[in-house]
Amino acid sequence: GAGVSQSPRYKVTKRGQDVALRCDPISGHVSLYWYRQALGQGPEFLTYFNYEAQQDKSGLPNDRFSAERPEGSISTLTIQRTEQRDSAMYRCASSSPSGGAGQETQYFGPGTRLLVL
Amino acid sequence: KNQVEQSPQSLIILEGKNCTLQCNYTVSPFSNLRWYKQDTGRGPVSLTIMTFSENTKSNGRYTATLDADTKQSSLHITASQLSDSASYICVVSPGGSYIPTFGRGTSLIVHP
Repeated sequence: GAGVSQSPRYKVTKRGQDVALRCDPISGHVSLYWYRQALGQGPEFLTYFNYEAQQDKSGLPNDRFSAERPEGSISTLTIQRTEQRDSAMYRCASSSPSGGAGQETQYFGPGTRLLVL
Repeated sequence: KNQVEQSPQSLIILEGKNCTLQCNYTVSPFSNLRWYKQDTGRGPVSLTIMTFSENTKSNGRYTATLDADTKQSSLHITASQLSDSASYICVVSPGGSYIPTFGRGTSLIVHP
């Protein structure tokens, strides 16, 4: 597609359930980022992939959060045993490196709004 | 710790007026600074990017400035329009890293 897509757009789940959020980056983009964004705040970094390799996962809040990108394209962010504090907008971004680290423009997806009851 | 602080947190102006948003950062080493516009319910979209050697960058009615010595940036919006109502996020990337630091954003509301 023309841009980054995410699914589902909205997810309501009960506390304790597992959820899987999907990100489909722009075709050919090497780098993929996951962010969490609370209402009225900027995105908070969660994890980053370069191709299929998870380069940095320092932003994942705890071991209930995991992410994978097995074929270097689509990525899945999984939250196990969800808690109410996990409720947020989860955004994915992709980029194609140019000019060195930090030079590329990240293109953001529409996000998945997660609500844990 | 790398930090990006933005001010004001929110701003309300009348259509046609100018405004300036501020961004202070403590990211080191510095690579580049971007301003993003985020419409309600949408993902952030890049407006400008500036590297260490650039002092100003324009994109239509948006003009960004950068003072790398004082680690400050501003985004000036000229002749505001209703469609400028959005959150404006300052993002600073450290040298040698792909992980940017985001500010919390300034929420701008333009009234007719």
